[in-house]
This record gives sequence, C-alpha cells and structure tokens, in this order.
Amino acid sequence: DTEVTQTPKHLVMGMTNKKSLKCEQHMGHRAMYWYKQKAKKPPELMFVYSYEKLSINESVPSRFSPECPNSSLLNLHLHALQPEDSALYLCASSQGVLAGGTNEQYFGPGTRLTVT
Amino acid sequence: QKEVEQNSGPLSVPEGAIASLNCTYSDRGSQSFFWYRQYSGKSPELIMSIYSNGDKEDGRFTAQLNKASQYVSLLIRDSQPSDSATYLCAVKRGYGNKLVFGAGTILRVKS
Repeated sequence: DTEVTQTPKHLVMGMTNKKSLKCEQHMGHRAMYWYKQKAKKPPELMFVYSYEKLSINESVPSRFSPECPNSSLLNLHLHALQPEDSALYLCASSQGVLAGGTNEQYFGPGTRLTVT
Repeated sequence: QKEVEQNSGPLSVPEGAIASLNCTYSDRGSQSFFWYRQYSGKSPELIMSIYSNGDKEDGRFTAQLNKASQYVSLLIRDSQPSDSATYLCAVKRGYGNKLVFGAGTILRVKS
C-alpha cells in the first residue's frame, strides 16, 4: 500500500473552474513533487518542494499554482486550465533532495484530470 | 539525443524466462538510477535503485549499472504474467533530486 495519498482520484473541470489537487505523505519525508503524465508518455516534473520551500519550478504555466502547507501536505491549485492540461497528475515524496543521496521517490496513486 | 533512452518494445517473453530491459543515459554526471514499474492506468511503483557500478539483486530483480558505458539494465528472472507492465528507467541529475525518465519499455509475459 502506498503511503502517499492523493485526492480526488478523478476530477472533471471546465476551463473557467478553480479546483485543487491534494497530496499527503505519511513517511516523514521532507521533499515532495508534482508530476504530469500524459497517456503513453513518461512522467514530467512540474515542481519540487524541499523543507516546505519551492526549489524547482519547471517553467510551469501560472494556471498551475503549488502550495506546501507543511512537510506532509502538498496542494496543486488549478485555474483556467486548457483541454490539453488533461492528464494524470502524480505526487511523489522522498527523504530529501541532496545531491549524491539516494532519495528514492515514491509516487501516490495520482489524480486523473479531465478539462472540458 | 534524448537524455534517457529505452527501447519502447513491446518486449515479449514466455513465462518463466528472463526479461532483459535496457536503458542508456547521456549525462555522465548522473549519480542515481531507478527502475519503476507502471501498470496501465496506475502510478509508477519503485522496484529497484542502484548507485554503484555492478549488480544489485532483490528477489527476482537484478539491476546492473555500468557508468563508463552509461548503461543501466534490469533483469527479471522467472518472468510471470503479472510482470507485464511498462518499465520506466529514471536517472537523477544534480541538486533538487530531479528525475528524468525514459519513455518506458512495454513488457509482455505470455503464459
């Protein structure tokens, strides 16, 4: 069983809606990630939080807004999305982000987002 | 040249055979290497990590790393139909723990 949980499992939203994806990890990890995965493609990194601070933003459009309220929680706020933003959104966590460390990333089950 | 390359497959093997999955990477500074298994419609599941040259075994899985050749592989012994999935090779680059994924190899184990 994964110790990274994500809600909701499925989300359908219109282009004018505002919604949020939620992620929680119970492993005491200090780094959390958002990935986007399109069908038949590998995951693509969007954001990295380390010790609750944003450390990497992979030039993601501002209609995606991440938030890390504490080291266990990660949110992704969505606003004015486009149909091409429809994808599986994956949250992951790891012990940390130090170079040279192991820092295996563990994924949650994902939220399948459809933008209509 | 893609940063992480995998043969997309599908790779078909009979039940009980050894499945061999390969991955090459372009950044010589890469330090950590991971194999994830992803079933259709599910999220990636970490199955192996390797950091030093040589072999690392875990049950039916063996990961092999050759940094000089920039090559990492995954062997699955006694393949089972339940091993049928997409296998993603991931390489960690530098600070921030950014993982770069290959496109994945589809494995089909036929009973």
